[in-house]
Amino acid sequence: AQSVTQPDIHITVSEGASLELRCNYSYGATPYLFWYVQSPGQGLQLLLKYFSGDTLVQGIKGFEAEFKRSQSSFNLRKPSVHWSDAAEYFCAVGDSSASKIIFGSGTRLSIRP
Amino acid sequence: DTEVTQTPKHLVMGMTNKKSLKCEQHMGHRAMYWYKQKAKKPPELMFVYSYEKLSINESVPSRFSPECPNSSLLNLHLHALQPEDSALYLCASSQGSGLPKGHEQYFGPGTRLTVT
Repeated sequence: AQSVTQPDIHITVSEGASLELRCNYSYGATPYLFWYVQSPGQGLQLLLKYFSGDTLVQGIKGFEAEFKRSQSSFNLRKPSVHWSDAAEYFCAVGDSSASKIIFGSGTRLSIRP
Repeated sequence: DTEVTQTPKHLVMGMTNKKSLKCEQHMGHRAMYWYKQKAKKPPELMFVYSYEKLSINESVPSRFSPECPNSSLLNLHLHALQPEDSALYLCASSQGSGLPKGHEQYFGPGTRLTVT
């Protein structure tokens, strides 16, 4: 069965610093991978997705993610974070058998002024 | 228009009340979803509608009753809820239910439900 692990529960970075959020997945074939962001009390917004092709995926708000099959990872990166990036970030993988998304447990990002 | 709207934003209801949550999208999407999200947890799938037919029910208690009147609207009828049902209820839609487009879901802002 597919699964997603986000090993970091909470990360704090300084404004202007670079960011990397980790995501590892378990899946037999080529996975469909997603990163979503959720601001407090809000719904989820799709940041980027990987279906196939180029393993470096560009998303909205200056985020990118790299699919590494050898490491079963899909880490999210941003070169310089802004205070408005403080939010909960969810990595997700598409269930191969149904129109379902399997979410990781989330990583809460705090920004230090 | 890439927006999914949900009403109301907040809802407080007693355990004997009947209420409904509403969700609407105008993206031409043919699959719609209800999720429940507790604090500091990821969303949990409740129901999936594909082409206005219920395709997935994740063993949700019958006090939650979904309805899809047309391809743009999704309701969640609530009756005799328990305090532990208090959560953020999220609606989402996707272009279709097939893979992979069924995985690319767009979420509404949610309804914050409190059961007293």
